[in-house]
Amino acid sequence: QLQLQESGPGLVKPSETLSLTCIVSGGSISNSNYYWGWIRQPPGKGLEWIGTIYYSGSTYDNPSLKSRVTISVDTSKNQFSLKLSSVTAADTAVYYCSRQIVGGPAELDYWGQGTLVTVSS
Amino acid sequence: QPVLTQPTSLSASPGASARFTCTLRSGINVGTYKIYWYQQKPGSLPRYLLWYKSDSDKQQGSGVPSRFSGSKDTSTNAGLLLISGLQSEDEADYYCAIWYSSTVVFGGGTKLTVL
Repeated sequence: QLQLQESGPGLVKPSETLSLTCIVSGGSISNSNYYWGWIRQPPGKGLEWIGTIYYSGSTYDNPSLKSRVTISVDTSKNQFSLKLSSVTAADTAVYYCSRQIVGGPAELDYWGQGTLVTVSS
Repeated sequence: QPVLTQPTSLSASPGASARFTCTLRSGINVGTYKIYWYQQKPGSLPRYLLWYKSDSDKQQGSGVPSRFSGSKDTSTNAGLLLISGLQSEDEADYYCAIWYSSTVVFGGGTKLTVL
């Protein structure tokens, strides 16, 4: 059974960089049928897609966040990562990692449990 | 105007049916897109339910009951999620999504109350 697990600091100071890693187990991140993505959800609000990466390193990014987002993949460790720079309180959210289907990338069929990141001094 | 618009809330009685709408922005033709649906119960992570493009091109998520189904209303340019035989456990937020211009776009979500 595929499992995804987010890890990273739960508290980040304003103007600093948020860094999260998603460890994938039970399947290979190098499987050509899948993308790997990040989604966030501010408290009490809806889902916002952040970006997506393929095992080759090619990415798709949310234009509203693009200049602050870096998504990378480490196939040797079967994990992918998110960096979000210059964070503000508006970046406080539960951050999820997910698997996406190459044939229909809005199909996010597996999700991590999510990790709450709070931006505060 | 957002790419996808969903009503904020919906109420229905146990045993009845619920119809969720996901309206695409003018100029974005619903007929062209697969419409994806997700369920998120309070305190839980989102769950993929299904996608629908046409009656001959659709897919149910793994383990998703057949009382959840998709459709489209081309007259209003909307994707639809239909739930029949509502149960109290269906009370949740429901999100639609599409793959648009190489991005995943989510609707704002509809909160279903079963009362």
